[in-house]
Amino acid sequence: DTGVSQDPRHKITKRGQNVTFRCDPISEHNRLYWYRQTLGQGPEFLTYFQNEAQLEKSRLLSDRFSAERPKGSFSTLEIQRTEQGDSAMYLCASSLVGSGVPDTQYFGPGTRLTVL
Amino acid sequence: QKEVEQNSGPLSVPEGAIASLNCTYSDRGSQSFFWYRQYSGKSPELIMSIYSNGDKEDGRFTAQLNKASQYVSLLIRDSQPSDSATYLCAPSSGGYNKLIFGAGTRLAVHP
Repeated sequence: DTGVSQDPRHKITKRGQNVTFRCDPISEHNRLYWYRQTLGQGPEFLTYFQNEAQLEKSRLLSDRFSAERPKGSFSTLEIQRTEQGDSAMYLCASSLVGSGVPDTQYFGPGTRLTVL
Repeated sequence: QKEVEQNSGPLSVPEGAIASLNCTYSDRGSQSFFWYRQYSGKSPELIMSIYSNGDKEDGRFTAQLNKASQYVSLLIRDSQPSDSATYLCAPSSGGYNKLIFGAGTRLAVHP
């Protein structure tokens, strides 16, 4: 099995620009999560997909943030009008639930965003 | 009160010793508990999962869970310098099992 992949690994942008990140989960994993991690803190939950349906969004996810998971495979996270406070590591995780399999999340390498 | 509390450390142990990492959580509904290891600049890597009260051993790692006390711990036996990392405690929360992370404990194993 290949693991969770994320692209790009690093992104530097200027304040006010839009950015989009991609996550490819482990094949056949039906759950996909986005987290954000800032320096010295643990990851914070942003949003969750079961197949293609976005079922939960954190209050951290302002209306500048949008996420999609078309066809229940890869997911994208877009941030519009970036702010310096958006600088963080954006982590994607996937898991397989059902058929008696424990729901265990595996993380991708992350996308490090720097907003200048 | 934070949802998940961990001692930030650093916890410094000599090579070969036992490292003990502790975590308390506030959500009594949490059913699954995970320990992740995170090297500097890298993403979290799953170390252990535990679902029921008691101990669970996997190689040099032992996870302990006490739901009544809302406490989970991780023991690392025969600590190696390569174990030096931040260890994140993450109970699941809610129907979709999102993870609520502590800030992590930084472990330093010195030769």
